[in-house]
Amino acid sequence: DVKVTQSSRYLVKRTGEKVFLECVQDMDHENMFWYRQDPGLGLRLIYFSYDVKMKEKGDIPEGYSVSREKKERFSLILESASTNQTSMYLCASFITGNTEAFFGQGTRLTVV
Amino acid sequence: AQKITQTQPGMFVQEKEAVTLDCTYDTSDPSYGLFWYKQPSSGEMIFLIYQGSYDQQNATEGRYSLNFQKARKSANLVISASQLGDSAMYFCAMRDWDNNNDMRFGAGTRLTVKP
Repeated sequence: DVKVTQSSRYLVKRTGEKVFLECVQDMDHENMFWYRQDPGLGLRLIYFSYDVKMKEKGDIPEGYSVSREKKERFSLILESASTNQTSMYLCASFITGNTEAFFGQGTRLTVV
Repeated sequence: AQKITQTQPGMFVQEKEAVTLDCTYDTSDPSYGLFWYKQPSSGEMIFLIYQGSYDQQNATEGRYSLNFQKARKSANLVISASQLGDSAMYFCAMRDWDNNNDMRFGAGTRLTVKP
């Protein structure tokens, strides 16, 4: 089975901290995505990557950056965490041309 | 960027009845795919069904079917014979095959199945 693993299920960070959310997939998928999920807003695309060292902005990239140094790992970075970044963060991956995307279990981040 | 609209924040259905969850989308590209995902209270995202923009037939997967009306740009999910375990959030999503495969979601519909 394809596995997408996010490094933490729950995180609590302080305002202004630099935060790293890690996502690892074990099936050689080219495409990896980061979303944030908020009630009433659904999943909003932050960044995605379709190859190593490649990245594309999604709809809400402000305050975030990403890193993809290896194919299996896609990191989301909050440069200076703020309370409005308190949310559920979901990572997903898939193979180009394949219909199904596979999701991690999510990281619930609270910024205090 | 493409836009996905789910206009029903919440829906109720009686157990064993059918329910339709609405989804409309907006894109100018001819090649795309439409998806439905289920998210139970545990938080995992479960893939339910897929419809390609060139598919002639509506997709079906067990009790799930997708009512695809291309001219209206709608892709409604129909769940037949609802079960208590169907209570969850449901998300409609679209991938644009010609545009880096990026995938975008609607706001979701919370379905509650009543016994």
